Amino acid sequence: DGGITQSPKYLFRKEGQNVTLSCEQNLNHDAMYWYRQDPGQGLRLIYYSQIVNDFQKGDIAEGYSVSREKKESFPLTVTSAQKNPTAFYLCASSITGVSTEAFFGQGTRLTVV
Amino acid sequence: QQQVKQSPQSLIVQKGGISIINCAYENTAFDYFPWYQQFPGKGPALLIAIRPDVSEKKEGRFTISFNKSAKQFSLHIMDSQPGDSATYFCAAKRNQAGTALIFGKGTTLSVSS
Repeated sequence: DGGITQSPKYLFRKEGQNVTLSCEQNLNHDAMYWYRQDPGQGLRLIYYSQIVNDFQKGDIAEGYSVSREKKESFPLTVTSAQKNPTAFYLCASSITGVSTEAFFGQGTRLTVV
Repeated sequence: QQQVKQSPQSLIVQKGGISIINCAYENTAFDYFPWYQQFPGKGPALLIAIRPDVSEKKEGRFTISFNKSAKQFSLHIMDSQPGDSATYFCAAKRNQAGTALIFGKGTTLSVSS
């Protein structure tokens, strides 16, 4: 089955720690995205990448980092600089273009303990 | 700066009724307007989408109405069912390669039986 796999589904982080969220897709999509979802806030864009070895900051990139070494993978690191990291994180992918569907993973719920 | 404004935040509709969710945008460069449906604990999934060269698009019980001059678009769910209970997000994308979807804050729909 083609799709996007996010892991883990639940993640707990101690304050001051960096954690990395995994996102893998086998849809052969060039573009990948990370969104953060908070109650009542919708989906806010953290980072996105249109091609391997290239990525751009979204609206709320501070405290996050990404890499895109392979077409299939777009991991997100939540650093200790992110002051309020508890949220639901969603990864998506799409073919490049204007009106193309973005496919989402099932999300990772990160909680700071 | 919120570029896509969505209302209402929550909506309760009787089974068989019509659910209406509205969105407004400011950026005239937007060229693609999808609606996503999200169930609790899951990633959003594309429901229906429209380009600004048409005023209406219908897929089954779901219809998008688009008013380019008013910079508004809305989702109508006819004959609403309890299974439609979910959170709905409108989104928009600029007419430019290498851009990402910008989402509204979401509407939580509850269909009572």
